[in-house]
Amino acid sequence: GAVVSQHPSRVICKSGTSVKIECRSLDFQATTMFWYRQFPKKSLMLMATSNEGSKATYEQGVEKDKFLINHASLTLSTLTVTSAHPEDSSFYICAPWTGYGYTFGSGTRLTVV
Amino acid sequence: GIQVEQSPPDLILQEGANSTLRCNFSDSVNNLQWFHQNPWGQLINLFYIPSGTKQNGRLSATTVATERYSLLYISSSQTTDSGVYFCASLPPGGTSYGKLTFGQGTILTVHP
Repeated sequence: GAVVSQHPSRVICKSGTSVKIECRSLDFQATTMFWYRQFPKKSLMLMATSNEGSKATYEQGVEKDKFLINHASLTLSTLTVTSAHPEDSSFYICAPWTGYGYTFGSGTRLTVV
Repeated sequence: GIQVEQSPPDLILQEGANSTLRCNFSDSVNNLQWFHQNPWGQLINLFYIPSGTKQNGRLSATTVATERYSLLYISSSQTTDSGVYFCASLPPGGTSYGKLTFGQGTILTVHP
């Protein structure tokens, strides 16, 4: 149980474009979703927390207008990186709360050129 | 907020060796967990261990909450154990789910 599908696994985009990352809980309902960002050889940093049907809560220093989070259903949450720049290149991981523990998506490696 | 420190930062082993990874935390914690991130980035939950000792195959973990540390033991290491090991915790007084604070990780490389 607690299967999470994160897509795409890898994306390369041009500066100024937007990229959408999807996170789907396949066999459970996720009322709460955490989005993390990880730089190479670094730890995971929480970006935002979203609850289904509510606006996301962003951590200090995270631009909410750049990292748009939508959690419109209990099985799908999306993170859109808007007007991407090279400094947005990173590994993004979703982590839905299963109701009894954490599980993690397989991550999306974003490269902005 | 709570600080989570891990040691060593890097560890290189020969296959078959044993190792101990340590996690120190700055305050009492609510939900101490160990994770393994494989070389492709996937995070796997190894242990939920707020206190005491647990074992799962070649891995075991011990948390001494009163002394604010946790240990992860890997015995008879295999190349598939390579990756990054993180400990993470919720702050004290947190709810049963919430914002995990991750340590900086231990990068483990196991050579055949």
